[in-house]
Amino acid sequence: NAGVMQNPRHLVRRRGQEARLRCSPMKGHSHVYWYRQLPEEGLKFMVYLQKENIIDESGMPKERFSAEFPKEGPSILRIQQVVRGDSAAYFCASSPARRSFGTDTQYFGPGTRLTVL
Amino acid sequence: AQTVTQSQPEMSVQEAETVTLSCTYDTSESDYYLFWYKQPPSRQMILVIRQEAYKQQNATENRFSVNFQKAAKSFSLKISDSQLGDAAMYFCAYYTTSGTYKYIFGTGTRLKVLA
Repeated sequence: NAGVMQNPRHLVRRRGQEARLRCSPMKGHSHVYWYRQLPEEGLKFMVYLQKENIIDESGMPKERFSAEFPKEGPSILRIQQVVRGDSAAYFCASSPARRSFGTDTQYFGPGTRLTVL
Repeated sequence: AQTVTQSQPEMSVQEAETVTLSCTYDTSESDYYLFWYKQPPSRQMILVIRQEAYKQQNATENRFSVNFQKAAKSFSLKISDSQLGDAAMYFCAYYTTSGTYKYIFGTGTRLKVLA
């Protein structure tokens, strides 16, 4: 059973460009979470999605950041007009549907390291 | 708001010795979960151990065990017989079933294992 997949693993963008980060949850998981890790810091929650729904985006910056989890395909975290401060590792995690055993445990992908030049 | 505090930025342990990493948290919830994750240089987040708040028994996974003190809101991780492969960042995380299901992480403890 493949784990959470993220691509690309490394992404380099120049200021003003767009960054698109992809996340494929574990098989059978319908909940996706995005976290950001700045250098030498812990992970900070950004957004929680279910298929075609954003459940909680309280950790997302108000501008330039958006996320989606379509009915088909991976979840996408999009950062428009990137700035140097967006340089970080972005982690995706997934979990099974609610009301089933183990819904509290989130399984993390390997992360995407974004570098903005 | 819930918070998670790891007061030890860095710890060192001799190979084969035992080390304890500290974590405290603040919450008004009664039903929640606590986790320890390991992040090696590869940056992959690896689940080490999980504790349900309603369980009084401390969780154990091979060489890893926790000391869960609910009243004190303390959740420390003990690593026995430390191995070189245990060297990593360790993050404590909190999760509640009420609200939005997000994990709240501490700032991490860097563990060095000395040969």
